[in-house]
Amino acid sequence: EDQVTQSPEALRLQEGESSSLNCSYTVSGLRGLFWYRQDPGKGPEFLFTLYSAGEEKEKERLKATLTKKESFLHITAPKPEDSATYLCAVSNDYKLSFGAGTTVTVRA
Amino acid sequence: IAGITQAPTSQILAAGRRMTLRCTQDMRHNAMYWYRQDLGLGLRLIHYSNTAGTTGKGEVPDGYSVSRANTDDFPLTLASAVPSQTSVYFCASSASDSGTEAFFGQGTRLTVV
Repeated sequence: EDQVTQSPEALRLQEGESSSLNCSYTVSGLRGLFWYRQDPGKGPEFLFTLYSAGEEKEKERLKATLTKKESFLHITAPKPEDSATYLCAVSNDYKLSFGAGTTVTVRA
Repeated sequence: IAGITQAPTSQILAAGRRMTLRCTQDMRHNAMYWYRQDLGLGLRLIHYSNTAGTTGKGEVPDGYSVSRANTDDFPLTLASAVPSQTSVYFCASSASDSGTEAFFGQGTRLTVV
């Protein structure tokens, strides 16, 4: 059975204080690992897809990396608008399996 | 604007009533999904469809049914609602059923009383 575990559950940062979120996974036949951002009351918004170990993707202050067992989402010099819940998901043959998410709060 | 439209945005429903949540996409995606999101449990797959005319069961299918008569629409029906079906429901679609990102609607907040 596919499993996705995200840590920490919550992260409180000061503006400008860089940090990383972890996503550990076990899946048979990984087709892709995905990162999403979710704001309160909204649907998840797609950020990145990673397909193979060693791959990295960047978007503004966010950088996602992938190994054979885990992925990291690095937030560099965060701003208050980066506050959100970040979801990790893995894809096998027919579905996305999600972790419970990390809620990030960035204080000015 | 291209994307996924869900309706209604919220609903309060009496237990035992039948309810259909609507989902329409205009991206011509082959695959569509229904998830429910509950605090502490994350997003769990209810049903999916890899292409028009086919559907499959996800992780938590009991009490729900779906149909996929065409590419664009993927309604979710609760035949006889129970309080444990109180949740936020998200519809999503992707170009294919594996390895491609899924795009989500804004959700339907359902309360069964």
